[in-house]
Amino acid sequence: EPEVTQTPSHQVTQMGQEVILRCVPISNHLYFYWYRQILGQKVEFLVSFYNNEISEKSEIFDDQFSVERPDGSNFTLKIRSTKLEDSAMYFCASSLTSGTGGDSPLHFGNGTRLTVT
Amino acid sequence: KNEVEQSPQNLTAQEGEFITINCSYSVGISALHWLQQHPGGGIVSLFMLSSGKKKHGRLIATINIQEKHSSLHITASHPRDSAVYICAVRPGGATNKLIFGTGTLLAVQP
Repeated sequence: EPEVTQTPSHQVTQMGQEVILRCVPISNHLYFYWYRQILGQKVEFLVSFYNNEISEKSEIFDDQFSVERPDGSNFTLKIRSTKLEDSAMYFCASSLTSGTGGDSPLHFGNGTRLTVT
Repeated sequence: KNEVEQSPQNLTAQEGEFITINCSYSVGISALHWLQQHPGGGIVSLFMLSSGKKKHGRLIATINIQEKHSSLHITASHPRDSAVYICAVRPGGATNKLIFGTGTLLAVQP
């Protein structure tokens, strides 16, 4: 069964450094998402992406964050200048349709654990 | 106030028991998802439903839109069912984000 793959599985970085988290969504999917889960807390929506642009973003997704689909297969999340509170598990997800009015399961990657020291 | 509430937060069961996990939500929704998260962290989608009932193997999910409530049932539970079970809703309207509950940690003992 096709999978969403994320790399790296664990990233350690120093505060103030830039990080790029990478995701390869399922190949025929059109909608892409980033979610994060701070340790011990619930999963939170960051951003959704469709047709090469952001379709929706949360309050968490401030100017320090950006997303890109540079080559038609990868989907990246960049954090420009990491803070301690960015430490979390970051999940990429993809779906075939938007899900509104249609049966469109969401497929998640295994996550990237980001540790900011 | 959380828009998605799950109960119980923790559940310990003996192998073979019938398990029910509940989810209540306060917003209008277009769909509700049940997800499974294993200790390693990966999230797997179990069900997406907008009405009625769905069954897959030993798992059954039901939703009552009028009461804003959903249940996930596991029949003949097994230690390999031990995981965090998460309810998440897609609000109504143009959004396609999910709002997650805090999860139910299930431990099935042999």
